[in-house]
Amino acid sequence: GEDVEQSLFLSVREGDSSVINCTYTDSSSTYLYWYKQEPGAGLQLLTYIFSNMDMKQDQRLTVLLNKKDKHLSLRIADTQTGDSAIYFCAESIGGSASKIIFGSGTRLSIRP
Amino acid sequence: DADVTQTPRNRITKTGKRIMLECSQTKGHDRMYWYRQDPGLGLRLIYYSFDVKDINKGEISDGYSVSRQAQAKFSLSLESAIPNQTALYFCATSDAGTGANGELFFGEGSRLTVL
Repeated sequence: GEDVEQSLFLSVREGDSSVINCTYTDSSSTYLYWYKQEPGAGLQLLTYIFSNMDMKQDQRLTVLLNKKDKHLSLRIADTQTGDSAIYFCAESIGGSASKIIFGSGTRLSIRP
Repeated sequence: DADVTQTPRNRITKTGKRIMLECSQTKGHDRMYWYRQDPGLGLRLIYYSFDVKDINKGEISDGYSVSRQAQAKFSLSLESAIPNQTALYFCATSDAGTGANGELFFGEGSRLTVL
């Protein structure tokens, strides 16, 4: 079946790196995504990776994809208070990324 | 103005009442989706539509129905609301064009409480 799993909470100290992990089940996923949800708002795409890539870097964000283990991670370097949010891992199911399945979300909190 | 607009933003209703949540978009996207968010469960797909004549069930469609009145409008109905349908509901759109990566564009959410 289609399932995306991630831990519910992560707490890091300001300035440290945050690593949020995710596992998924559909080996045919074309795209894998990280969405960010700030309090009282909808989700916004943070970054995504195409399934034939191992790594993608975008400023402070690094996405690593291990297709063999169906494992996706998001690393946020130099974590700031503005990074406090819920981060959702998601995978595309079906042709043309027609259906997107989300994980439970990881709430990232920042300690001073 | 928001590209994806949901109404109402908040609604409190009683068990057994019929409720409609509406979504409109100005992005010109063909694909529209309804998700519900529950703490610890993430977002679960209720229904999705690829064009005006296309409606598909998602993971949790029981107790819900949808209507795609136009390319820009997709409404979600609860025919007889029950307390476990209390949740935050999100409408989303995506582009089906060549090269599209499946990115979803979300509305701000409709918080529904069923007493």
